[in-house]
Amino acid sequence: GENVEQHPSTLSVQEGDSAVIKCTYSDSASNYFPWYKQELGKRPQLIIDIRSNVGEKKDQRIAVTLNKTAKHFSLHITETQPEDSAVYFCAARGNRDDKIIFGKGTRLHILP
Amino acid sequence: ETGVTQSPTHLIKTRGQQVTLRCSSQSGHNTVSWYQQALGQGPQFIFQYYREEENGRGNFPPRFSGLQFPNYSSELNVNALELDDSALYLCASRPPGANYGYTFGSGTRLTVV
Repeated sequence: GENVEQHPSTLSVQEGDSAVIKCTYSDSASNYFPWYKQELGKRPQLIIDIRSNVGEKKDQRIAVTLNKTAKHFSLHITETQPEDSAVYFCAARGNRDDKIIFGKGTRLHILP
Repeated sequence: ETGVTQSPTHLIKTRGQQVTLRCSSQSGHNTVSWYQQALGQGPQFIFQYYREEENGRGNFPPRFSGLQFPNYSSELNVNALELDDSALYLCASRPPGANYGYTFGSGTRLTVV
């Protein structure tokens, strides 16, 4: 079945530095790749997404890249701030049945 | 407030009981998915409904079932509860079209004792 692998599971970066989270997907028909941020005790919030016809998308300090050939996509956060501390999930949606499959998450710690 | 609301927020049930969780989506959100999120894990896809019909299912047994109603509300029913069913249950909905991501509700925290 479809699978989304996410790495690393935990990431600590100094405030102001960049953070990169990487994901791979198994279903070559996947066409939509959202990223969610989940703070403790709260719902996942969509922070950025990318579709399969685009290689890169940026929104202020957040960017996502997609390599369809290699079936991997990455989240880049620049100039990290304390409020970036959270769990981040990548996900992929298949073209056939429209369901979204999530990675296991990356716990990001921003160190003062 | 995202417009996707779930009830109840917390629930405690005994093993073997049945439970119904509810989700109310925004008007026009005709696709709704349910996810189970165990502590420290990513959301696991349970099933998806589109226009009141199930159109996708994850690796969950038949005792997990659902309904979607014309007023954009939906239910997740779980029969014969097991201890491992303890988790946060999230519903997520989106309007028609391929260009929209899902909006999640706040979830229902189910504890089975």
